[in-house]
Amino acid sequence: EAGVAQSPRYKIIEKRQSVAFWCNPISGHATLYWYQQILGQGPKLLIQFQNNGVVDDSQLPKDRFSAERLKGVDSTLKIQPAKLEDSAVYLCASSRMGASNEKLFFGSGTQLSVL
Amino acid sequence: SQELEQSPQSLIVQEGKNLTINCTSSKTLYGLYWYKQKYGEGLIFLMMLQKGGEEKSHEKITAKLDEKKQQSSLHITASQPSHAGIYLCGADGTGANNLFFGTGTRLTVIP
Repeated sequence: EAGVAQSPRYKIIEKRQSVAFWCNPISGHATLYWYQQILGQGPKLLIQFQNNGVVDDSQLPKDRFSAERLKGVDSTLKIQPAKLEDSAVYLCASSRMGASNEKLFFGSGTQLSVL
Repeated sequence: SQELEQSPQSLIVQEGKNLTINCTSSKTLYGLYWYKQKYGEGLIFLMMLQKGGEEKSHEKITAKLDEKKQQSSLHITASQPSHAGIYLCGADGTGANNLFFGTGTRLTVIP
């Protein structure tokens, strides 16, 4: 079974530029998550999708971050414009149904450096 | 807001030694997850505990959740270099299955 796929693996941009990350969850998984992991910290949830609807985006900085999952499969996370403090690893995860106590499967992440 | 506190923050042990990592929450948890992360990689699921007093083992790793469901420990027996990495505890605080995580424990195992 293929895992959660993310691209690119690495991205270096200058502040005020835009960047987009892509995630393809495990086939058949209804729930998709985007997490931000700053160096030395645990992952922080940015947004949770159930199929193509948003379940929780309370911690997403909506003035610069946006995410979509139009067909309920792949998802894109965008930052526009980027700030220095956005440097982090962006992790995508998926779970089968999003039910309580269900395991989350994580991708390898996209490491973003904002200069 | 709910937080998970992990201790220690980092740990260096000699190969073959046992070790314990702790994870504490200020509130009762719906579920407690343990993940392992190697540098530059995603999180690998280890175990999930739901019930107060529950204990699970996989190979040389044992995790326990206390009766009040506010504290968990991860114990590694006879550590090996392959156990090195960052161990993260995560919890579902609301039942919506979106996990929040502790800051992690960085484990180094010296051959």
